[in-house]
Amino acid sequence: AQKVTQTQTSISVVEKTTVTMDCVYETRDSSYFLFWYKQTASGEIVFLIRQDSYKKENATVGHYSLNFQKPKSSIGLIITATQIEDSAVYFCAMRSMSNYNVLYFGSGTKLTVEP
Amino acid sequence: AQTIHQWPVAEIKAVGSPLSLGCTIKGKSSPNLYWYWQATGGTLQQLFYSITVGQVESVVQLNLSASRPKDDQFILSTEKLLLSHSGFYLCAWSPDRGPNERLFFGHGTKLSVL
Repeated sequence: AQKVTQTQTSISVVEKTTVTMDCVYETRDSSYFLFWYKQTASGEIVFLIRQDSYKKENATVGHYSLNFQKPKSSIGLIITATQIEDSAVYFCAMRSMSNYNVLYFGSGTKLTVEP
Repeated sequence: AQTIHQWPVAEIKAVGSPLSLGCTIKGKSSPNLYWYWQATGGTLQQLFYSITVGQVESVVQLNLSASRPKDDQFILSTEKLLLSHSGFYLCAWSPDRGPNERLFFGHGTKLSVL
């Protein structure tokens, strides 16, 4: 069975600092794909970044990067130079090769960026 | 450019009443389509997916059904609403079947069952 766990319910940071959000996953598959999505206060959900399990290099997109620790089944999201507009709920998600039509989400971490 | 439209934006319904929510994707032929449900403050739970017209697969049983009557349309429905159906319903699409494909979400429908 696949499972995604985000233990941080909420995080508050000061603008322009760096924040890391944790995520651990469970799967028996050797091949899987990890995603981070952002949900704004309006409810809109947008894709941020993806990590393929077979890639050793951590993915980076803009001011988002990932800390992929495969032995620990961990995929942390790092946001550098945070902005007020980064305030949102961040969801970690996973899709396994054996069941790739289903995307499993974690419970989300609410990020508040303060001036 | 592809666009996704969900309707209605919000619904207030009585327990036991029927429900129909819709989703249309324009600008992409044969998209993979998905329905998600989110309880207030909760995670996203995938309900259904469809990879082609007329074919819908259920992921979880929540006394809901889904249909894909057209290539660009996905419908979520039930004949009798329960209180537990309240929440936020999101339609999503992906361009291909690949497991590494990102999802594009609609703006969602907020459902309140009273």
